[in-house]
Amino acid sequence: SQQGEEDPQALSIQEGENATMNCSYKTSINNLQWYRQNSGRGLVHLILIRSNEREKHSGRLRVTLDTSKKSSSLLITASRAADTASYFCATDAKGYQKVTFGTGTKLQVIP
Amino acid sequence: SAVISQKPSRDICQRGTSLTIQCQVDSQVTMMFWYRQQPGQSLTLIATANQGSEATYESGFVIDKFPISRPNLTFSTLTVSNMSPEDSSIYLCSARKETQYFGPGTRLLVL
Repeated sequence: SQQGEEDPQALSIQEGENATMNCSYKTSINNLQWYRQNSGRGLVHLILIRSNEREKHSGRLRVTLDTSKKSSSLLITASRAADTASYFCATDAKGYQKVTFGTGTKLQVIP
Repeated sequence: SAVISQKPSRDICQRGTSLTIQCQVDSQVTMMFWYRQQPGQSLTLIATANQGSEATYESGFVIDKFPISRPNLTFSTLTVSNMSPEDSSIYLCSARKETQYFGPGTRLLVL
């Protein structure tokens, strides 16, 4: 079963706008990861944030983690048409090595 | 990092037959995982494959249907047995090296 729920399920924005996706999870975690999946393609790892970190940046990506609320957000700034993809959060629960995925957000960036 | 390859990349099979998917990692990893992704859905963990021990299956997945081998630290196979159209899906191999890396997936269509 999915560990995480993502919100929104789908998001459509204009190129240049920012996109924010949220992920909520159920149990205490070691790490939270964000992945991108283009239609029909494999998963691309975007960023990993540890449970003792609150914010992390990578290029146009900003990830926050609030362990008290069991939630994370992914912000993509100055979006591009090439950012159109599905985005998934994935968590590994404390005491376990397996990683379980959220439901995903489908992002469409309109040129 | 880890580079993961899978064979076959896609296949069309008749119901009642079995298909074995191979996964090769370019470096030694302790833990490997098999996921299923049904069309338009997120990833669901099938099982965790550790070298030298039996695979650990998630709820809803059984060894008779999805036997897994893990003969060494760089290789694993997943067999989808006695296939039905409901098994049509993408099957992804994954390996853990702090970050979780994924293979390109095997697209299976069962007629």
